[in-house]
Amino acid sequence: KAGVTQTPRYLIKTRGQQVTLSCSPISGHRSVSWYQQTPGQGLQFLFEYFSETQRNKGNFPGRFSGRQFSNSRSEMNVSTLELGDSALYLCASSLRDSEQYFGPGTRLTVT
Amino acid sequence: AQSVAQPEDQVNVAEGNPLTVKCTYSVSGNPYLFWYVQYPNRGLQFLLKYITGDNLVKGSYGFEAEFNKSQTSFHLKKPSALVSDSALYFCAVRASFGKGANNLFFGTGTRLTVIP
Repeated sequence: KAGVTQTPRYLIKTRGQQVTLSCSPISGHRSVSWYQQTPGQGLQFLFEYFSETQRNKGNFPGRFSGRQFSNSRSEMNVSTLELGDSALYLCASSLRDSEQYFGPGTRLTVT
Repeated sequence: AQSVAQPEDQVNVAEGNPLTVKCTYSVSGNPYLFWYVQYPNRGLQFLLKYITGDNLVKGSYGFEAEFNKSQTSFHLKKPSALVSDSALYFCAVRASFGKGANNLFFGTGTRLTVIP
């Protein structure tokens, strides 16, 4: 089976802009979770989608949002980018409530 | 609330020696515990998990982990370290039920360096 894919792999944006990241889960996986990884804060949970519904949300401002499509693909959007949003954004998919499999991540740099 | 502690930022071990990467956790109810490894510029790779059953769990690449409920620990072990095991290791926990049960809470990571 193909693994979790994320596009783009690298992104450079300017403060104030918005960005959309995409994630395609492993075939058959209906749960998709997003995490932010930074040197200072480590790995932090953003949100989780299951069957097109947001099941859980972490402690991030409303500028961070996401959605899931009927084919389980997911997107996350960050509006009004700040320098502190520079991070590796990881997507993970799983069968319901089992171990999560991670994609390679999208490296976002905000200048 | 769930939390994970990895008390060592860095672990150095000689090639061929046994290695241990430590992890302790806090969670309501029964824990679901995981170990992941991250290589430079890569995502996280799943190594092993403990859900229930035997306290010694075997995973990928010769790694194993021992669940100790009384010490709330889940240490990662390997009998003989390889240079290629050098990477960043993350312990993670999630609750077995309730709102947010599928959220993974990660430790801060332990950088393992295997010295040739």
